[in-house]
Amino acid sequence: EDQVTQSPEALRLQEGESSSLNCSYTVSGLRGLFWYRQDPGKGPEFLFTLYSAGEEKEKERLKATLTKKESFLHITAPKPEDSATYLCAVQESQGAQKLVFGQGTRLTINP
Amino acid sequence: DSGVTQTPKHLITATGQRVTLRCSPRSGDLSVYWYQQSLDQGLQFLIQYYNGEERAKGNILERFSAQQFPDLHSELNLSSLELGDSALYFCASSQTSQTPPRNEQFFGPGTRLTVL
Repeated sequence: EDQVTQSPEALRLQEGESSSLNCSYTVSGLRGLFWYRQDPGKGPEFLFTLYSAGEEKEKERLKATLTKKESFLHITAPKPEDSATYLCAVQESQGAQKLVFGQGTRLTINP
Repeated sequence: DSGVTQTPKHLITATGQRVTLRCSPRSGDLSVYWYQQSLDQGLQFLIQYYNGEERAKGNILERFSAQQFPDLHSELNLSSLELGDSALYFCASSQTSQTPPRNEQFFGPGTRLTVL
């Protein structure tokens, strides 16, 4: 069964303090790994899709990377508006196109 | 704004009742997915429809059912509601008819269901 584990559960940073969020996954065959941002009470907002080990994607202060067993979401010089829960999900290469989500990392950026 | 719409935003009902949640996918998306998000379980896949047909089932209870209509909107029906069904219910859609298919799913704003 597919499994996704995110760490840490929660992270507090000062504005401008860079860090990384981790997503470890177990899947029989990976079609894609997805990162989403979720604000309280809102729907997940799509950020990135990564398809193969070594791939990297960037958007503003965020950069996502992928290895065969984990993905990292690097946040550089974060701002308070980057505060949110970041969700990682995997999609199998065979069968259903469902997403299997991790529990998320709750990120707080203090001004 | 993802382009996926869901109604209603909030729903408060009593145990034993039945409710219907509605979702309209992004223009051109043929696949619709339903997910449940509760505090202890995180986001869990319930069911997928593709162009009107059921494509995959996840952890969906027998008391729950869904359908996708010819105009591609979808409805999730929850019956004999229990306190534990209180959660956020999200609909997502994806464009899977392109070549190559785009796998990312775009989520709606959700329906918050409270069962009293």
